[in-house]
Amino acid sequence: GAGVSQSPSNKVTEKGKDVELRCDPISGHTALYWYRQSLGQGLEFLIYFQGNSAPDKSGLPSDRFSAERTGGSVSTLTIQRTQQEDSAVYLCASSLAQGTGNEQFFGPGTRLTVL
Amino acid sequence: GNSVTQMEGPVTLSEEAFLTINCTYTATGYPSLFWYVQYPGEGLQLLLKATKADDKGSNKGFEATYRKETTSFHLEKGSVQVSDSAVYFCALSDRQGAQKLVFGQGTRLTINP
Repeated sequence: GAGVSQSPSNKVTEKGKDVELRCDPISGHTALYWYRQSLGQGLEFLIYFQGNSAPDKSGLPSDRFSAERTGGSVSTLTIQRTQQEDSAVYLCASSLAQGTGNEQFFGPGTRLTVL
Repeated sequence: GNSVTQMEGPVTLSEEAFLTINCTYTATGYPSLFWYVQYPGEGLQLLLKATKADDKGSNKGFEATYRKETTSFHLEKGSVQVSDSAVYFCALSDRQGAQKLVFGQGTRLTINP
């Protein structure tokens, strides 16, 4: 698989439950991003990982959201005590490295529905 | 903070019509500018980009020119096809730091045969 992959593709959960969303970036890409696409807010940045540097968490909407990236590759976005407003498509993207105009390659997304 | 404003949609055109989707931005410094496209049932993909003033990005017959004086990056195509039906997003990224993308709200384009 040459592209960014995400799992699951769809997740339905009940309000108050925790969920984990997974992202496998393109091999060799050191930068990894999470975004959220929702009807009310459009596409918004959540968090960024670059190599071994501390992540940029400035886009996380609340402390219920967290993410980690293990071994500089796979990333997991965790949402605790889900709320209905968390319903959205969660997109992961990766890029080769920092640099002007580096293209970000997006995965197909995980559609999260909180009932 | 940085922001992107796009022409509101939806936009419906006939095949072979001329397309313009307006995009303006607000940013500190000199961002890089992008157009991303989301075809039905597919993920976001880069359509074209420009990294400095007066650069023209082009791909698949689409063009956009980085206009610093008007802070704009309008998308144009001379003759659209049914296969161009998609949602188009204008975006910018800072040249420093995380280089995260800031997106416009998206414009849904439908081309009728």
